[in-house]
Amino acid sequence: ILNVEQSPQSLHVQEGDSTNFTCSFPSSNFYALHWYRWETAKSPEALFVMTLNGDEKKKGRISATLNTKEGYSYLYIKGSQPEDSATYLCALFLPGGSNYKLTFGKGTLLTVNP
Amino acid sequence: KAGVTQTPRYLIKTRGQQVTLSCSPISGHRSVSWYQQTPGQGLQFLFEYFSETQRNKGNFPGRFSGRQFSNSRSEMNVSTLELGDSALYLCASSLLRGRGDTQYFGPGTRLTVL
Repeated sequence: ILNVEQSPQSLHVQEGDSTNFTCSFPSSNFYALHWYRWETAKSPEALFVMTLNGDEKKKGRISATLNTKEGYSYLYIKGSQPEDSATYLCALFLPGGSNYKLTFGKGTLLTVNP
Repeated sequence: KAGVTQTPRYLIKTRGQQVTLSCSPISGHRSVSWYQQTPGQGLQFLFEYFSETQRNKGNFPGRFSGRQFSNSRSEMNVSTLELGDSALYLCASSLLRGRGDTQYFGPGTRLTVL
């Protein structure tokens, strides 16, 4: 069974704070990692797809890094805003054929207080 | 470009009944995946269809089935509903099946089994 672990489970920060959370996965079993943001009552929204060790991706105030050798990815949010409140999911992508699928972690619930 | 659509958005059924959920992918996308989310669980992979063929199946009983049509629209069917089938069912589409292909999610169908 492939385990994708996310920590912390939930996080409360004040508006303006910067924050980060972690996604851990078996380092021997890497093909690609996806990050999603899921706001309440909306569809999960793709943030990043990361495929190479050392990848760094950025979208506005959100960025992510990837270390496939040690099996983790960090998601950073700079200067959190109330609209950043959402569940952040990471998912490990397994390659094609019968294994094509995303295996998701349980997510980190971020609440940004104004 | 229109996003992934799912119908219906909400459904209430009783135990023993069957249900069919529909997913229309983004135009041009050929892969459709289905996921189940229940409280306390992450998104669990159900199955994936590509070019009208089921390419991968998750660890769910045979009561869960699906199909994909020539226009890439997909349906999933759950027969003999059980209380534990109450969940949010999400579908996601992607252009192809490559590791860098982003999966785009629909808003989900909330199924309640009484």
